[in-house]
Amino acid sequence: EPEVTQTPSHQVTQMGQEVILRCVPISNHLYFYWYRQILGQKVEFLVSFYNNEISEKSEIFDDQFSVERPDGSNFTLKIRSTKLEDSAMYFCASSEGRGRYTGELFFGEGSRLTVL
Amino acid sequence: AQKVTQAQTEISVVEKEDVTLDCVYETRDTTYYLFWYKQPPSGELVFLIRRNSFDEQNEISGRYSWNFQKSTSSFNFTITASQVVDSAVYFCALSETFTGNQFYFGTGTSLTVIP
Repeated sequence: EPEVTQTPSHQVTQMGQEVILRCVPISNHLYFYWYRQILGQKVEFLVSFYNNEISEKSEIFDDQFSVERPDGSNFTLKIRSTKLEDSAMYFCASSEGRGRYTGELFFGEGSRLTVL
Repeated sequence: AQKVTQAQTEISVVEKEDVTLDCVYETRDTTYYLFWYKQPPSGELVFLIRRNSFDEQNEISGRYSWNFQKSTSSFNFTITASQVVDSAVYFCALSETFTGNQFYFGTGTSLTVIP
């Protein structure tokens, strides 16, 4: 069964360092997303990506964050200068079409980021 | 304002008991989707069900059942004869047509099934 895969599963970094989280979406999917879950809290939308550009982003997704699809398969989230409050589980997701048509996002297993 | 409210933060039940997880949503959209996801201790999000706003028929899948009532803006989830493996955090989520791809998650209900 096709699935969304994420690497690394867990990353520990020092405050101020750059971090790149990687995702391989399901191959025939066109829309890609990043969500974040701070420990014990709800899952929050960060950004959606379609046709090599950001289609929507939340207030959380500030200038410290960027996304790209460098090679047609990977979908990356970069945090330029990590802060303590960036510590969270980051989920990648993909869908065949826009959420309102397919109704289902396929989530990866998450990448846990710990900023010290 | 919260678009999805899960008022129950934590629930504990004894194995084989039935348990209902509540979800109340708020939207002005006429076309929307509702979801339930399970998050086990390992942390991944496991899709359980999707419901669109035009389909109010209740659904049963094994020990799981869902009660969607537009009149009360609720989409409740019942586990019958709970098992220890059901212990997890359960999230209700809403996807609205006019906001496109964003999923609005509730704060989750942590279910503990005691053997």
